[in-house]
Amino acid sequence: GDSVTQMEGPVTLSEEAFLTINCTYTATGYPSLFWYVQYPGEGLQLLLKATKADDKGSNKGFEATYRKETTSFHLEKGSVQVSDSAVYFCALSARWYGGSQGNLIFGKGTKLSVKP
Amino acid sequence: DAGITQSPRHKVTETGTPVTLRCHQTENHRYMYWYRQDPGHGLRLIHYSYGVKDTDKGEVSDGYSVSRSKTEDFLLTLESATSSQTSVYFCAISEGNKEAETQYFGPGTRLLVL
Repeated sequence: GDSVTQMEGPVTLSEEAFLTINCTYTATGYPSLFWYVQYPGEGLQLLLKATKADDKGSNKGFEATYRKETTSFHLEKGSVQVSDSAVYFCALSARWYGGSQGNLIFGKGTKLSVKP
Repeated sequence: DAGITQSPRHKVTETGTPVTLRCHQTENHRYMYWYRQDPGHGLRLIHYSYGVKDTDKGEVSDGYSVSRSKTEDFLLTLESATSSQTSVYFCAISEGNKEAETQYFGPGTRLLVL
């Protein structure tokens, strides 16, 4: 079945460091890919998304490129801030031949801590 | 903000008691979902709805039932709560067309079953 694998944390970085959180997927059909962020005590917020191969999603300095050849959607940010400390989830929404199965498949989440 | 509220936000209950969680949305979205979040598992789908009175099971539906009698409300019921159902429960709605649909989440309900 469809699945998402993301690097396990926790990840601890110093402010202004470069961030990469790896995410790979397996899916039949043509999935959309997402990154969600969860700040402490809060719900999930959509960070960015990509709906087809080679699309790049970006938001708040974060970006991720949908790589079909490597089945990857790695999250990157050039210079992290303390306020980026959160749990990041990679997810896919599987689609079958243009239709939608309707639910998201999530990775287990990666906790990021940024130190001043 | 997709206009999603969940109630209660926190609940403590005892094993064997029934529990109902409510998800309310204000923007007339057709699709609604219930997920649970557990350490080491990410989020997993419990049930979802694709319209009034139209629901289907997700990955971890055992021990849960749902109802949707009107568009804005999606109820999740634990008929007889067990300690394994201690979790954080998130409701979500789906927005957009089939090629670019995106899910947005409510603030969550933290449930502790003693």
